[in-house]
Amino acid sequence: ETGVTQTPRHLVMGMTNKKSLKCEQHLGHNAMYWYKQSAKKPLELMFVYNFKEQTENNSVPSRFSPECPNSSHLFLHLHTLQPEDSALYLCASSQGSGDSYEQYFGPGTRLTVT
Amino acid sequence: AQSVTQLGSHVSVSEGALVLLRCNYSSSVPPYLFWYVQYPNQGLQLLLKYTSAATLVKGINGFEAEFKKSETSFHLTKPSAHMSDAAEYFCAVSDKSNAGNMLTFGGGTRLMVKP
Repeated sequence: ETGVTQTPRHLVMGMTNKKSLKCEQHLGHNAMYWYKQSAKKPLELMFVYNFKEQTENNSVPSRFSPECPNSSHLFLHLHTLQPEDSALYLCASSQGSGDSYEQYFGPGTRLTVT
Repeated sequence: AQSVTQLGSHVSVSEGALVLLRCNYSSSVPPYLFWYVQYPNQGLQLLLKYTSAATLVKGINGFEAEFKKSETSFHLTKPSAHMSDAAEYFCAVSDKSNAGNMLTFGGGTRLMVKP
C-alpha cells in the first residue's frame, strides 16, 4: 500500500449504530487530519493530530470521536449519528505541522446515515 | 481569519481551450496557497503550491498559477484543456496565524470539458 488509505470506502449505518472509519498513511508523516465533505459545502476540517496529540477540534459534535494510536493510524468512531452527517469523510496527512507542508489525502469514506 | 473565494462553481470549456479557474483569498499575513484537484470518487490530489518563492508556480498536468499580492489572487490556468481535466478544483490557504497546518478551502469549481 502507498499513500493514504481509508477503509471502508462506503458505509451505510443506522442512527443507533456504532461504527469506525480507519485511515492509514504510509508516507512517514507526523500530522493527520479528518475532513468532512458535504454536498454544496466547502471542505470542513474536523480534527488535527500532530505526533499523535490532538491539536485541533473544530467544534465537532461529540458523536464523532477521533483516535490516533500512532502517527500512521487515525480512526473516527461514530455513534448515534444524524442523517445530516451523511457525507464523504476524508483523511489526510502531512510531513509536519508547518504551514507550507502540503497535505496528502486518502480516497475517502462515503457515509450514508439512514 | 483567513478565507478563500472561488468565483464560479461551474466552468465549462471546449477541449483545447484555455482553462482559467479563479481564486481570491484573504489573510492577515503572507499566506501559503494550494490548488487541489478531485476526480470522481477520489480524494484530493495536490496540483501545485505557493510558498513565497517564485510568484508563478508550475504544477502537474500542465497547470500553473500566479500569486498576485496586490489582487489577493491565485488563479489557476492551463493553456489547452484535455477531456481528462474534467474534475473539481479546490483552492486552499494556510497562514502562520493557524495553530499548525490547517487549510481553509474554497467552495470548489467543477470544470467541464466539452469535446
